[in-house]
Amino acid sequence: KNQVEQSPQSLIILEGKNCTLQCNYTVSPFSNLRWYKQDTGRGPVSLTIMTFSENTKSNGRYTATLDADTKQSSLHITASQLSDSASYICVVSAGDMRFGAGTRLTVKP
Amino acid sequence: DTAVSQTPKYLVTQMGNDKSIKCEQNLGHDTMYWYKQDSKKFLKIMFSYNNKELIINETVPNRFSPKSPDKAHLNLHINSLELGDSAVYFCASSQDLGTGPLSVQYFGPGTRLTVT
Repeated sequence: KNQVEQSPQSLIILEGKNCTLQCNYTVSPFSNLRWYKQDTGRGPVSLTIMTFSENTKSNGRYTATLDADTKQSSLHITASQLSDSASYICVVSAGDMRFGAGTRLTVKP
Repeated sequence: DTAVSQTPKYLVTQMGNDKSIKCEQNLGHDTMYWYKQDSKKFLKIMFSYNNKELIINETVPNRFSPKSPDKAHLNLHINSLELGDSAVYFCASSQDLGTGPLSVQYFGPGTRLTVT
């Protein structure tokens, strides 16, 4: 069983709408949590990185939250754009790095 | 201007062959990595290399070997290729191996390996 679970597996939204992606983890001990965006046919690009003491971090229209007590993180995308269509991968570091399977987001006009 | 580059972008080869994938980073980073992304899109770390110290994921077959001629390069050699090796391989680099902002990884564009 993967120690980093992401939901939903895929999501379709209309341009301009907001959405929230979830990441639950069981990895312990915890060092930091990262969100990556991976466009089709490209390598992942880092969006945010948070340590256990940080609750929220923003990068433009992307806002990540972290609850280290419940071991949950979310990535909120505001005012979605067509270019947000990609896979979003949650990565938890605990000595080594554990990757979630990603959420495939499709933004439609 | 490419930060992390890989060659080739596509590689099609037959079972049993030996092949290499090259990776170069021009970011001045101290740590480089190789990842495998399978058909289910899971990214799995294969190797990390920092200051001549190699950390190997124990699940990686010894047919895979990274070679670093200098700090800017980490090439991946694969011997006796098998069908299950078909995947996308990503190279990445970071300033260090820690957990702070400097450990943010920059990924290359990937190499799609197909073994027939």
